[in-house]
Amino acid sequence: QKEVEQDPGPLSVPEGAIVSLNCTYSNSAFQYFMWYRQYSRKGPELLMYTYSSGNKEDGRFTAQVDKSSKYISLFIRDSQPSDSATYLCAMSGDSSYKLIFGSGTRLLVRP
Amino acid sequence: EAGVVQSPRYKIIEKKQPVAFWCNPISGHNTLYWYLQNLGQGPELLIRYENEEAVDDSQLPKDRFSAERLKGVDSTLKIQPAELGDSAVYLCASSLGDRVGDEQFFGPGTRLTVL
Repeated sequence: QKEVEQDPGPLSVPEGAIVSLNCTYSNSAFQYFMWYRQYSRKGPELLMYTYSSGNKEDGRFTAQVDKSSKYISLFIRDSQPSDSATYLCAMSGDSSYKLIFGSGTRLLVRP
Repeated sequence: EAGVVQSPRYKIIEKKQPVAFWCNPISGHNTLYWYLQNLGQGPELLIRYENEEAVDDSQLPKDRFSAERLKGVDSTLKIQPAELGDSAVYLCASSLGDRVGDEQFFGPGTRLTVL
């Protein structure tokens, strides 16, 4: 079993929809939770970063962490075709710089 | 600000041939990472450098892979000899420091195809 599980998709939604992307994890030592966006033929870029539990909002993006359930989510409001990409969750512990990535969810936003 | 630069962007070689990838991190970033990304998977760390020192190479297959960062700036990752299973994207990333949570900035990657 992988430390971080993520549904690979693809997830296809119409423009303007609310998108929910999720990851589950098994390592209770994880404290740093990140969401990266990766366009085709590009490297990942950091979207959201949360420490420990709670919510964080940045424009159309909201990240949620539920450590009791070992479950993290990324919500995208008013989705745009330009949001079409692969979304990777990543995590690390307090004592480790090492990022553990999920396998990524491919999102397609249809105009 | 220039991002992480990698070259070549694409490389096709035959198995058993050597190959090398080059990375230039963001100016001032002391920490440099090499990742392997297989198709449909997330990146997996191969090696991490603090300046010119390889501080974590535990995931690097040392029988065929080697890396160097001689002057603590740019870095080279080499595979010799390449195998079919090495076909993947090799990503380089850099961060300002080595503190947990320091943002890692990724380059566009080198897509390797081994025939």
